[in-house]
Amino acid sequence: SQQGEEDPQALSIQEGENATMNCSYKTSINNLQWYRQNSGRGLVHLILIRSNEREKHSGRLRVTLDTSKKSSSLLITASRAADTASYFCASVPLIQGAQKLVFGQGTRLTINP
Amino acid sequence: DTGVSQDPRHKITKRGQNVTFRCDPISEHNRLYWYRQTLGQGPEFLTYFQNEAQLEKSRLLSDRFSAERPKGSFSTLEIQRTEQGDSAMYLCASSSGGTPGGTQYFGPGTRLLVL
Repeated sequence: SQQGEEDPQALSIQEGENATMNCSYKTSINNLQWYRQNSGRGLVHLILIRSNEREKHSGRLRVTLDTSKKSSSLLITASRAADTASYFCASVPLIQGAQKLVFGQGTRLTINP
Repeated sequence: DTGVSQDPRHKITKRGQNVTFRCDPISEHNRLYWYRQTLGQGPEFLTYFQNEAQLEKSRLLSDRFSAERPKGSFSTLEIQRTEQGDSAMYLCASSSGGTPGGTQYFGPGTRLLVL
């Protein structure tokens, strides 16, 4: 399978706590993206980090990228019940002309009120 | 911006039948992608169009699968002689040019069940 791996597969925390999800990928990348998917719905883009970037912020989201370890992490601070969803990392391979996203298996996040 | 739309949202068919799904991308987006997602897994890439040209196909896309994007607007994905293993959510996404892969905007998906 081309898919990367995400850790943990499931995470349950209390509202207000921080949630951290990790992702590993297999090949050199152009960029890495994080998406959110509510149950049974399409995916929503959260953030994109380029291979020459190490950290990026967007609101309550913080993404890090370590290309030497082929890994990324997504931190959601001050979690809310509405953050309950599955979160996927997706890498774009560093291959000429490559446009596809290679997704991880996802982390299912549950925020308990 | 009306977003990416897909039709139908749900499809139940019997094994051996043909099915066709439609995707309407965001109007100014020149790139269109199809992915397949099975329960509990991340989406898997199937194929990608830039305008009307199909530029990449996954080996997951067997001879029973065909996709088109006439005139570089909407796209169709056809599955011939469906098998139970084809049961999945079929997702369409679109993006504009620029960053490889870009920010992809996904439709709600078509959920296929093959009996």
